[in-house]
Amino acid sequence: SQKIEQNSEALNIQEGKTATLTCNYTNYSPAYLQWYRQDPGRGPVFLLLIRENEKEKRKERLKVTFDTTLKQSLFHITASQPADSATYLCALVPFWGGYNKLIFGAGTRLAVHP
Amino acid sequence: NAGVTQTPKFQVLKTGQSMTLQCAQDMNHNSMYWYRQDPGMGLRLIYYSASEGTTDKGEVPNGYNVSRLNKREFSLRLESAAPSQTSVYFCASSETALAEGNEQFFGPGTRLTVL
Repeated sequence: SQKIEQNSEALNIQEGKTATLTCNYTNYSPAYLQWYRQDPGRGPVFLLLIRENEKEKRKERLKVTFDTTLKQSLFHITASQPADSATYLCALVPFWGGYNKLIFGAGTRLAVHP
Repeated sequence: NAGVTQTPKFQVLKTGQSMTLQCAQDMNHNSMYWYRQDPGMGLRLIYYSASEGTTDKGEVPNGYNVSRLNKREFSLRLESAAPSQTSVYFCASSETALAEGNEQFFGPGTRLTVL
């Protein structure tokens, strides 16, 4: 069956450390992956996109990697701050389906402690 | 520039009642989407509209209908609400179809409880 899996357990880290979140997928051929941030009671907000022919993308303190062999994307936040505490969602657009469907993982909650 | 707006923010229905969730975007986007989000599950696509005048089913369309009223507005209707439809509903829009790699912009959500 097709699945997108993110760690359901919250990730707790100390301020200043690097947070690494994992997104694994099964039986999809992604055209690209997107990462979103969601704060409690609010809609998701887009952060980064990485295409299937790209290995790495960076934006300020954020870095995303994409390994189509491992079927995995890693999302890194360097020099993390308490304000980075939120739920992070990965989503992919598969090659099939007319590129109109974004398939989401359930998200991983990140808590950054002072 | 309000982005994506949704009304109402909260709603409580009794089983069998009907209601329409409203969504509007002011970014001149072509594509619009309706999702539901349940605890422990990812956002699941209910219906989408790739462009004005077209609508298509997503992953979980049963029990819902949609109308793309014009380029700005995309409504979601529950004809006969059921407790299984208790969820948080999000509307989203993107500039064009996702083939372009476009990000989706989300509204603040509607929290619906069906008793």
